[in-house]
Amino acid sequence: EVQLVESGGGLVKPGGSLRLSCAASGFTFSSYSMNWVRQAPGKGLEWVSSISSSSSYIYYADSVKGRFTISRDNAKNSLYLQMNSLRAEDTAVYYCARDGSSSPGLYYFDYWGQGTLVTVSS
Amino acid sequence: AIWMTQSPSLLSASTGDRVTISCRMSQGISSYLAWYQQKPGKAPELLIYAASTLQSGVPSRFSGSGSGTDFTLTISCLQSEDFATYYCQQYYSFPWTFGQGTKVEIK
Repeated sequence: EVQLVESGGGLVKPGGSLRLSCAASGFTFSSYSMNWVRQAPGKGLEWVSSISSSSSYIYYADSVKGRFTISRDNAKNSLYLQMNSLRAEDTAVYYCARDGSSSPGLYYFDYWGQGTLVTVSS
Repeated sequence: AIWMTQSPSLLSASTGDRVTISCRMSQGISSYLAWYQQKPGKAPELLIYAASTLQSGVPSRFSGSGSGTDFTLTISCLQSEDFATYYCQQYYSFPWTFGQGTKVEIK
């Protein structure tokens, strides 16, 4: 059974940093691109960042480029999102999501974690 | 970036109804479109990919159609568990984008 479990969310002040983690199990992690998608309270879904299976290709939404860094550790079956210079508008539930196709990725999302809430407020 | 217009934003329907949700693209995306269902407090779930391919385990009352710029999600006979919010997503070109969502509520 595919499982994705996010952690690391919490309350942080504007300008602060936070690192999200996503622990994957139930599939060959190193064969799949992985993604972060967020959802602000009461709002729709927003794609944040994607990383290919071997980390060769990395993509960011313009809204987070230069502030967020996606990475992965295939030996630990883990995905990460380092978030710096956080703003109030980054407040959202952050979901880890698996790509719907093994390498190369297609960038639709077939399995999602339960999400972790990031609140940016003074 | 590819702009997506999803409509309607709110759909009131009764159990047993046939409902359709539309997703229109600002440019052609072939069949690189997915549909998701999200219930309150839960993560989204993939329903359909490649515009019309049903994800494993998804009931056959869900279907998708379209290519190019116009796409449709159809629920043939609405069940109580289908009251939720639905999103389309294009994965034809970076940045991957979602529609604004359609909330299907009980009439």
